[in-house]
Amino acid sequence: DQQVKQNSPSLSVQEGRISILNCDYTNSMFDYFLWYKKYPAEGPTFLISISSIKDKNEDGRFTVFLNKSAKHLSLHIVPSQPGDSAVYFCAARGSSGGSYIPTFGRGTSLIVHP
Amino acid sequence: SQTIHQWPATLVQPVGSPLSLECTVEGTSNPNLYWYRQAAGRGLQLLFYSVGIGQISSEVPQNLSASRPQDRQFILSSKKLLLSDSGFYLCAWSLGTGRNQPQHFGDGTRLSIL
Repeated sequence: DQQVKQNSPSLSVQEGRISILNCDYTNSMFDYFLWYKKYPAEGPTFLISISSIKDKNEDGRFTVFLNKSAKHLSLHIVPSQPGDSAVYFCAARGSSGGSYIPTFGRGTSLIVHP
Repeated sequence: SQTIHQWPATLVQPVGSPLSLECTVEGTSNPNLYWYRQAAGRGLQLLFYSVGIGQISSEVPQNLSASRPQDRQFILSSKKLLLSDSGFYLCAWSLGTGRNQPQHFGDGTRLSIL
């Protein structure tokens, strides 16, 4: 039973355009959300996060939006660059016995064409 | 600054052979440590995590085990590998399991079982 779902396994975008990566979750106890970026043969690197008390967090070209009522979050990359081509993982956390171990989605592979 | 080292980068093992993957963290004390596996087309599956020396929590019952003999050393082992153990194994650390602490990943080990 997937609690964090990234329903699009891949996304192709033209350089300079906006990339929108989506993530849905089912567990209403999740209250903190993270996005990680992963290049081939490397480990994921933390990109941006958002707390459930906010609906938007921005860091340079990256913005994460959270819609709690819909249990949906999205990562916007504007403008997209070829170096953004990578797999993006959505992760969600909630308290479980005092632990905040995140649950990851399956990832979306983003390809940005020059 | 903190760094995480994971080796080997790739490993090819026959079915039934033992396994030992090592992960070490530098530049921090008493980190939380994690082992994840990413199977083909799947997300990041948490295998084990540790909040201190000798303290191991297992998330998924299987023929793998983990040990933490030193504060910044985390080892993933198996006595007899199965074909289904193939995958990309990632070690990660965080400063704590608080919700605002992202995980930092190593570059992973690609394990192929023949």
